[in-house]
This record gives sequence, structure tokens and C-alpha cells, in this order.
Amino acid sequence: AQSVTQLDSQVPVFEEAPVELRCNYSSSVSVYLFWYVQYPNQGLQLLLKYLSGSTLVKGINGFEAEFNKSQTSFHLRKPSVHISDTAEYFCAVTRVSGGYNKLIFGAGTRLAVHP
Amino acid sequence: DVKVTQSSRYLVKRTGEKVFLECVQDMDHENMFWYRQDPGLGLRLIYFSYDVKMKEKGDIPEGYSVSREKKERFSLILESASTNQTSMYLCASSYWDRIIHQPQHFGDGTRLSIL
Repeated sequence: AQSVTQLDSQVPVFEEAPVELRCNYSSSVSVYLFWYVQYPNQGLQLLLKYLSGSTLVKGINGFEAEFNKSQTSFHLRKPSVHISDTAEYFCAVTRVSGGYNKLIFGAGTRLAVHP
Repeated sequence: DVKVTQSSRYLVKRTGEKVFLECVQDMDHENMFWYRQDPGLGLRLIYFSYDVKMKEKGDIPEGYSVSREKKERFSLILESASTNQTSMYLCASSYWDRIIHQPQHFGDGTRLSIL
């Protein structure tokens, strides 16, 4: 079975500072990895995903994530955040195999960007 | 733009009531999902449907049922509501993909309170 750990429940940061949201996963098989963002009072949006190929994945709104198989991590980064990036961010994992496999979500990280 | 519409943003019901949560998507997506979101737990899959009249149980199906009579509509039913079903409910959809079937588009959620 797969599991996801988001290491920080809350991350406060000043505007224009860089940010890293950490995600570690556990799996005995190959996985696909995702980051979703949830703005206040809204549903989730897919930010980026890793399926295969380059381990550095670029997403929307200037975010990127790096897949590190040896560290079983998929950390999300942005070099300079804006107030509008204030949201909750969810890391998720699913196994690579035929058929439908459930997406396992982490508990979420609240990013609070301060002026 | 893809639109996933949940019929209610806020809903208050009494214990023992039968509760219906409705979700409609306008992109002809094959896959539809119902998730429950609780603080500190992330999102947990209740049910998944990959076609009309087809459904698969997720992680926490107990106390819930679903209906998909038309491709665009996926209903979640609480047969006899209980206070531990007070939560945020999120509907999602995605197209069928040979590789991966994970949710891509979410509704804004229904915050359900059971008194």
C-alpha cells in the first residue's frame, strides 16, 4: 500500500521569498505523484504531476516539483511567492499498474504568505 | 473551461435523515469521484464511477451509496445521516485515460453539517 507524509502542516512565509513544501511517500512499487492546490472556499486544482521522464516537473503559477526516487520525495518549490499563493497544498500518490488505482492524499500543508 | 457543479455549498440536516448530494460536470468526462475532506486527514475517496451505472468503492464507503444514471451526474447518498458524517464533500471528474484515471477537476465542495 502507498502512503504520503506532508512534513509541515503550516508554512508561513513572506511575500517574494522562496518556499518549499515537503512531501515524502512510501511505496513498494512504482508510483505517479501529484500536487493539488486548494484556494479558500474552493475545490482542488491540479498543480502538477509526475508520470515519467524528467524528474523536474513544472506546473502552473510558477511552481515546480522534483521527484527523488532514492529519497522517496516529491517536494514542491516556488522561487518567489505572492500573496495569492496563500492556499492549502496537497501531495498525492498512486501506484503504476493497469486498471484504476486510488489516489492517496497527504494531510495537506497550509501556505500562508504575509506582506 | 471545465465546470464541476455541486448543488449546495452549505447543507444542514438532522441525524437519521436521508441526504442527497448532487454533482454535475459539463465536459463529458467518463470518471467521477466523491471525496470527503477532514482537517488533518486530507481527502479520502468514498466512491468512484467510471461509466454510467458503474461504481467502485473507495476507502470509506460505509454509510454512503452513489447513483450514476446519466454520464454528467453523480449523486452521493447518505442513507441515514449521522453526526460523524459532518464534513466537507468534494466531487471531481476526469476523462478516461489509458494510463491514469485520477481526478482533474473538482467542484467547490459542499459543507454538510449533521445535527
